[in-house]
Amino acid sequence: GAGVSQSPSNKVTEKGKDVELRCDPISGHTALYWYRQSLGQGLEFLIYFQGNSAPDKSGLPSDRFSAERTGGSVSTLTIQRTQQEDSAVYLCASSLESGPHTEAFFGQGTRLTVV
Amino acid sequence: KQEVTQIPAALSVPEGENLVLNCSFTDSAIYNLQWFRQDPGKGLTSLLLIQSSQREQTSGRLNASLDKSSGRSTLYIAASQPGDSATYLCAVPSGGYNKLIFGAGTRLAVHP
Repeated sequence: GAGVSQSPSNKVTEKGKDVELRCDPISGHTALYWYRQSLGQGLEFLIYFQGNSAPDKSGLPSDRFSAERTGGSVSTLTIQRTQQEDSAVYLCASSLESGPHTEAFFGQGTRLTVV
Repeated sequence: KQEVTQIPAALSVPEGENLVLNCSFTDSAIYNLQWFRQDPGKGLTSLLLIQSSQREQTSGRLNASLDKSSGRSTLYIAASQPGDSATYLCAVPSGGYNKLIFGAGTRLAVHP
């Protein structure tokens, strides 16, 4: 596609429910990143994919968070047993390559509200 | 550990002013620095990417400079317009790949 696409754009869920957030990167981009932006907080890294593998999962805040990427394209971030502190904007980014010299392109984000 | 700081945190200016946003980083061994714009409730839009070998990048009314040795970058916005109102973020990659470390951003308001 023309840009990074994320869905849904907004999600309201009840505490304790599971949610899935989807990211469709720019076609041909091998590297994919998830970030979280909490209210009043900066952007924090969650996980990095190179192809279908995740060499760096160090930013996932707890074992309730997981992510996968299939076919070297679409990625899904899953949050199990959601808590109110999970409320945030979840942003996905992709890069043509994984190297630090490449430009990152971001999607519009998914705003998650846990009530 | 790389840390990125942006000053000022917020800025309010009248339309037409030229302005400078500042970004500093603690580890000068960077590959590049990227400036983004974020509108309220939206994602990030890439504005400029400066490679470590470059000193400046320009796009329209925007000019970004990079001084690696001093750990600083500036984003210059010429002839500001109300449509420039947004939060501006700078970020540098770490970890040997494109894992970005962000500053907290400068929230810009340009009033008519």
